[in-house]
Amino acid sequence: GAGVSQSPSNKVTEKGKDVELRCDPISGHTALYWYRQSLGQGLEFLIYFQGNSAPDKSGLPSDRFSAERTGGSVSTLTIQRTQQEDSAVYLCASSSINTKNIQYFGAGTRLSVL
Amino acid sequence: GDSVTQMEGPVTLSEEAFLTINCTYTATGYPSLFWYVQYPGEGLQLLLKATKADDKGSNKGFEATYRKETTSFHLEKGSVQVSDSAVYFCALSRPGANSKLTFGKGITLSVRP
Repeated sequence: GAGVSQSPSNKVTEKGKDVELRCDPISGHTALYWYRQSLGQGLEFLIYFQGNSAPDKSGLPSDRFSAERTGGSVSTLTIQRTQQEDSAVYLCASSSINTKNIQYFGAGTRLSVL
Repeated sequence: GDSVTQMEGPVTLSEEAFLTINCTYTATGYPSLFWYVQYPGEGLQLLLKATKADDKGSNKGFEATYRKETTSFHLEKGSVQVSDSAVYFCALSRPGANSKLTFGKGITLSVRP
């Protein structure tokens, strides 16, 4: 696609429910990143994919958070048993060597946990 | 670990005023440095970057110089416009395949006519 696409753009859920956030990177971009933007913590790295593997998961805040990437393309970030502190904007970015590793960001998913 | 510190905001300026947004970093080695901008209702986009000491990144009238001796990457613009109103983030990444970004907290700039 023309840019990084994320869905849904907004998600409201109840505490304790599971949510899935989707990221569709720019076609041909092998690297994919998830970040979280929250009022208290600013912009934080969550996880990095190269192809379908995730060599760096160091930013995932707890084992309730997981992510996968299939076909070297779409990625899904899953948050299990959501808590109110999970409320944030979740951003996805993709890049490739051809773009000198400059990251292109999606518009984000705003998650609100009630 | 790596960190980026930005000056506290928000900043409000009149159109055509001079802008400086301070950014300093802590990192070993030679990171790449970036300024990202987030316009209202839009996603983050790269404004400019520099990959080695003394490099100057520039775009849309904005400039920033990579200063290794002061570990700084201050953003400047000689004459701001209302359309520059946005949130500005300073960030760094390490060279290599995993170029995850470490961001500063961001600063909101409002430019009034």
